[in-house]
Amino acid sequence: SQTIHQWPATLVQPVGSPLSLECTVEGTSNPNLYWYRQAAGRGLQLLFYSVGIGQISSEVPQNLSASRPQDRQFILSSKKLLLSDSGFYLCAWRLQGDTEAFFGQGTRLTVV
Amino acid sequence: GENVEQHPSTLSVQEGDSAVIKCTYSDSASNYFPWYKQELGKRPQLIIDIRSNVGEKKDQRIAVTLNKTAKHFSLHITETQPEDSAVYFCAANTGYSTLTFGKGTMLLVSP
Repeated sequence: SQTIHQWPATLVQPVGSPLSLECTVEGTSNPNLYWYRQAAGRGLQLLFYSVGIGQISSEVPQNLSASRPQDRQFILSSKKLLLSDSGFYLCAWRLQGDTEAFFGQGTRLTVV
Repeated sequence: GENVEQHPSTLSVQEGDSAVIKCTYSDSASNYFPWYKQELGKRPQLIIDIRSNVGEKKDQRIAVTLNKTAKHFSLHITETQPEDSAVYFCAANTGYSTLTFGKGTMLLVSP
């Protein structure tokens, strides 16, 4: 069966510090991978998605970047965090087409 | 790109009542419409979905209807229970395998 791992679960970082959130998927090949951000407990905003290794599409210009160094690994990064980067970050995967998306447990990021 | 509008943003009902959440989408090419439930502090999880070749789908107390002409779809929960309290998201599949989500509905079921 397929599983998705996302870590860390919680993170408190100072303004201006770097960020690296990692997500891995097991039990499937060539998944589509997604990073969403959820602010104030509502609204899922799509940040990045990837349909293959090294292929990244950005939905919202911002202080973040994403990379996919391996087929089942998706990384969200920032060189310098802003207060506005605080939120609940969710990684997700799905197969191509009209299929269900599966979410990781999420990372609650607080920038102080 | 796709735009998904969801209403209401908050819905309060008494236990046993029905709850209806409505969504509209803008891209007529969208062909897949899932609904997710998210409990506080947890990940969203799929509760029901519908594809564009179907007008209605039911799973026990939950049903979803789709009107492609009007580009709207709705979630219906009957005989609500306190454990139904959560945030519900609709979504539409569009473009190259992206899901666009509505802003969510916080459902509160009072005993």
